[in-house]
Amino acid sequence: AQSVTQLDSHVSVSEGTPVLLRCNYSSSYSPSLFWYVQHPNKGLQLLLKYTSAATLVKGINGFEAEFKKSETSFHLTKPSAHMSDAAEYFCVVSTTFAAGNKLTFGGGTRVLVKP
Amino acid sequence: DAGVTQSPTHLIKTRGQHVTLRCSPISGHKSVSWYQQVLGQGPQFIFQYYEKEERGRGNFPDRFSARQFPNYSSELNVNALLLGDSALYLCASSPGLSNQPQHFGDGTRLSIL
Repeated sequence: AQSVTQLDSHVSVSEGTPVLLRCNYSSSYSPSLFWYVQHPNKGLQLLLKYTSAATLVKGINGFEAEFKKSETSFHLTKPSAHMSDAAEYFCVVSTTFAAGNKLTFGGGTRVLVKP
Repeated sequence: DAGVTQSPTHLIKTRGQHVTLRCSPISGHKSVSWYQQVLGQGPQFIFQYYEKEERGRGNFPDRFSARQFPNYSSELNVNALLLGDSALYLCASSPGLSNQPQHFGDGTRLSIL
């Protein structure tokens, strides 16, 4: 079974400083990985996706993530945090089964941005 | 283009009642999935439907059921509501069944009293 572990439940950064959100996955084959962001009382917005084309993936709003197969990691970074980045972030793996597919979510990392 | 739309946005029910939640996918998307997000946790997979057929089911009791209509919209039904069913219910759509990103609606917040 595939699983995702987000290593930090909360991250606090100052505006203008880098953000690092850590994610490790467990998969028996080459996974499809995503990062989603959820602002309060909202649904989930796709930040970026990894589907084996390149190990460094660029997403929206200045975010990027690096896939490292040897470390089974898919960490999300942003060089300079903005107040609007305060939200919850989910690392997600897509699991394909016989008749369809589903998303398996990590527990989430809540990001606080201090002025 | 309209995104995934869900209705209602909020709902309050009491234990033992029944609830129906609705979802309209992005135009052209044939797959609809449902997720339950309990406060403070990541979403959990409930169902996936494609071309009106159930294609996957998560670890949820038979009180949970769903269906998909010819226009690809979907309903999630929950019977005999329990306090633990209080959650944000999210609908997601995608064009097909491959590992493409799923696009989420804003969810229905269900509160059980």
